[in-house]
Amino acid sequence: DIQMTQSPSSLSASVGDRVTITCQASQDISNYLNWYQQKPGKAPKLLIYDASNLETGVPSRFSGSGSGTDFTFTISSLQPEDIATYYCQQYDNPITFGQGTRLEIK
Amino acid sequence: QVQLQESGPGLVKPSQTLSLTCTVSGGSISSGSYYWSWIRQPAGKGLEWIGRIYTSGSTNYNPSLKSRVTISVDTSKNQFSLKLSSVTAADTAVYYCARDILGEAFDIWGQGTMVTVSS
Repeated sequence: DIQMTQSPSSLSASVGDRVTITCQASQDISNYLNWYQQKPGKAPKLLIYDASNLETGVPSRFSGSGSGTDFTFTISSLQPEDIATYYCQQYDNPITFGQGTRLEIK
Repeated sequence: QVQLQESGPGLVKPSQTLSLTCTVSGGSISSGSYYWSWIRQPAGKGLEWIGRIYTSGSTNYNPSLKSRVTISVDTSKNQFSLKLSSVTAADTAVYYCARDILGEAFDIWGQGTMVTVSS
């Protein structure tokens, strides 16, 4: 199985800050990488697919980049409603997720 | 719009079989190039993909659970189901069903259902 390592595991930032989360795959996964947002008590929500494509209806302050083994997820200007845990997910079978990054407001 | 809803017992005894159903509403489970997946999340932990089914009946399972998992589909009821046998406390989790775009991304999720394995 492909292991996905996210960092950091938790992050505290201020409203308006630029926030970056990284995800590293244990082997080359091309651009087979998605990002999800999960708020407490809710199901995850797809934000970014195929490493850099914004899902319909998702605000443009969210973005993703990378290919191969190294990927980055960015929030350009943190908003209070962005407080959540963020997961990366690769889809080379079997599907695996990163361990999550918990984002808090400073 | 398409919505998913999980249902099933919230408490299962150790060694028994966990059974859950996901009902798809707002669209046909047979339309489009979608798989239908199950994913679980133990309290305070990350997400684990369990497996998926296509409406043809073809399945893919996570190798870590393959020996205990069966996913089936009933297109007449617009439902798909999960059975996990020989459960232990380690199977206690929130179980989600999700629409799976071509085996790549999960774009629609159910709200999740908590299943506790305990005697």
